[in-house]
Amino acid sequence: SQQGEEDPQALSIQEGENATMNCSYKTSINNLQWYRQNSGRGLVHLILIRSNEREKHSGRLRVTLDTSKKSSSLLITASRAADTASYFCATPKGGGADGLTFGKGTHLIIQP
Amino acid sequence: DAGITQSPRYKITETGRQVTLMCHQTWSHSYMFWYRQDLGHGLRLIYYSAAADITDKGEVPDGYVVSRSKTENFPLTLESATRSQTSVYFCASNPAEGNQPQHFGDGTRLSIL
Repeated sequence: SQQGEEDPQALSIQEGENATMNCSYKTSINNLQWYRQNSGRGLVHLILIRSNEREKHSGRLRVTLDTSKKSSSLLITASRAADTASYFCATPKGGGADGLTFGKGTHLIIQP
Repeated sequence: DAGITQSPRYKITETGRQVTLMCHQTWSHSYMFWYRQDLGHGLRLIYYSAAADITDKGEVPDGYVVSRSKTENFPLTLESATRSQTSVYFCASNPAEGNQPQHFGDGTRLSIL
């Protein structure tokens, strides 16, 4: 079963605009992670936010976490063509030692 | 080069054949994972391993076998391939349990005819 569900499933914006993706999950978590996947490649870890954190930044990425609503958002500012990819949120199964549960992803297209 | 490598990158085989997908990591990470990625399902965990000689089932283990005789290798075997196992398979690792990101290989695209 899917723990995280991303919204929207697909997003197309102009280069330079900001992109926001949302993730909802069902059970209590100790952290939530965001990954990027370029076409034909493996997933690349972007950012991990712990359950006691509300916001985290990494370069042009900003992640928020609202544990009361069981939701997270990923904001990419000043988008570039190279940001075109699929983005997934993931939460640990159990204590985190037994893998991650992924959502189905948001496919982001940055138009030049 | 350091990292996690999967082989082969592409494989075509027939139903009923046995096929083994290889995964090798150079970090000496304790934990390794196998996922499959299918349209409409995202990534689903097949098997995972906490250390050499310790493996456990994930969400979709049926039809798959794993072993982990060495820390750096975690092969996945389809003993008798079926068309429903056509998928992209990803191997991942992380150094310890808890709040740790996973590192992924580039995947094996497997087609079963």
